[in-house]
Amino acid sequence: GAGVSQSPRYKVAKRGQDVALRCDPISGHVSLFWYQQALGQGPEFLTYFQNEAQLDKSGLPSDRFFAERPEGSVSTLKIQRTQQEDSAVYLCASSPRTVNQPQHFGDGTRLSIL
Amino acid sequence: DAKTTQPTSMDCAEGRAANLPCNHSTISGNEYVYWYRQIHSQGPQYIIHGLKNNETNEMASLIITEDRKSSTLILPHATLRDTAVYYCIAVGAGNNRKLIWGLGTSLAVNP
Repeated sequence: GAGVSQSPRYKVAKRGQDVALRCDPISGHVSLFWYQQALGQGPEFLTYFQNEAQLDKSGLPSDRFFAERPEGSVSTLKIQRTQQEDSAVYLCASSPRTVNQPQHFGDGTRLSIL
Repeated sequence: DAKTTQPTSMDCAEGRAANLPCNHSTISGNEYVYWYRQIHSQGPQYIIHGLKNNETNEMASLIITEDRKSSTLILPHATLRDTAVYYCIAVGAGNNRKLIWGLGTSLAVNP
């Protein structure tokens, strides 16, 4: 199907390593969101793009987290010098420009930091 | 965005209707009520949304009280595959609509 695709599906890294998580949104979707979901919790907002512009990054927990969407389609979430508390599922969602349209989610990347 | 309150867990017999309540007493006039669900190890799935009128689609029905302070999601004939965590979220209009998630209701559909 033509849903939101995230890769890798699972990522294991050692503490201190850098990781990069990829999101392919639905074609033509202008808005792209990243969320972090800890075990047993609801997702928490990280950052939002409209096309290539990062309009809201208020949810990024520290300056180790960086997101980009250089051409307004694929987005990458990068975490530098990973720590154990970064272990979570990272979800990506996209939605069309039209207001009042739902966000469509990928199945996420499960990140485990050892 | 308004806060929503949902029961932590619910049970439902397979084939029966599942009625999931949500309180949003501080919802503002331009905020929509959205429902998503999350099946284990999958991303959230959009179900339905509404402003003040009742809504129905192929998945569910949404009943919103006249004062808009609460709503109910109805799955008319629950199946085992409807076992999931269901989230009710109040969402303002506009493109920059980050979703504020609670803990949702864990629905168990039993055979």
